[in-house]
Amino acid sequence: DAGVIQSPRHEVTEMGQEVTLRCKPISGHDYLFWYRQTMMRGLELLIYFNNNVPIDDSGMPEDRFSAKMPNASFSTLKIQPSEPRDSAVYFCASSFRDGYTFGSGTRLTVV
Amino acid sequence: SQQGEEDPQALSIQEGENATMNCSYKTSINNLQWYRQNSGRGLVHLILIRSNEREKHSGRLRVTLDTSKKSSSLLITASRAADTASYFCATDAGSGSRLTFGEGTQLTVNP
Repeated sequence: DAGVIQSPRHEVTEMGQEVTLRCKPISGHDYLFWYRQTMMRGLELLIYFNNNVPIDDSGMPEDRFSAKMPNASFSTLKIQPSEPRDSAVYFCASSFRDGYTFGSGTRLTVV
Repeated sequence: SQQGEEDPQALSIQEGENATMNCSYKTSINNLQWYRQNSGRGLVHLILIRSNEREKHSGRLRVTLDTSKKSSSLLITASRAADTASYFCATDAGSGSRLTFGEGTQLTVNP
C-alpha cells in the first residue's frame, strides 16, 4: 500500500484565490481526518469523516473552509477565498480501528 | 486547546544518552500514541499504548502510561543523531475518534 497520498506537496497562491487540497486514504480505512499544523497553534483537527460522512467539523476555522468526501478513496479540503493566515501544512490521515496513518502533507503558502 | 502537553518543549543530548519525554492529558482516553516528525516532513507513528496497559516496548523505545496521573513518558535509549526530530503524543478517546495532539518536544541528538 502506498499509504495516504496527498497532493499537491506544495502550493503557493495569491490571497483571494481558491485552493483545493486532495487526499487519497488507505484502502479499507473507514475514518479520514484533516489536520492543520502551524508554529503558533501546533496540530489542529479541522474535520473528520467516518464512512464518507462528516462527523465533526467544529475545527474548521470559518466558512471559507469546506471539505468533502465523495467516496471512500478521495477527499478534498477547499479554501475559498484564501488568506495569508491560512498558510500552514495541511495533513490528511486515515484510520481503521487504532491504526492511524498520516500523509506527507501539503505546505500551503498564501501571499 | 491541546489535550496533550509535552514536557520538555526542547531537549538536547549527546549521542548514546537516553532521552525521556513526558506527556500529560486532561480527559479519559482509549489509547495514547507517540509520533515523530522530522523537520518539514509528515508524522510517523511510533507506538500505541492502550488505557489498560502500563508499559510497552518497541526496539529502543519504551512507553509508560499512568492513567491515574493522566501522564505518559517516552524513553529513547542509546540515542542516535538520526533520532533528532519533534516528538508528539496524541490521545484517542475512542475507536476511530479524533486524535488530539500535544505541542511536541523538539529533540536534538548531538553527534
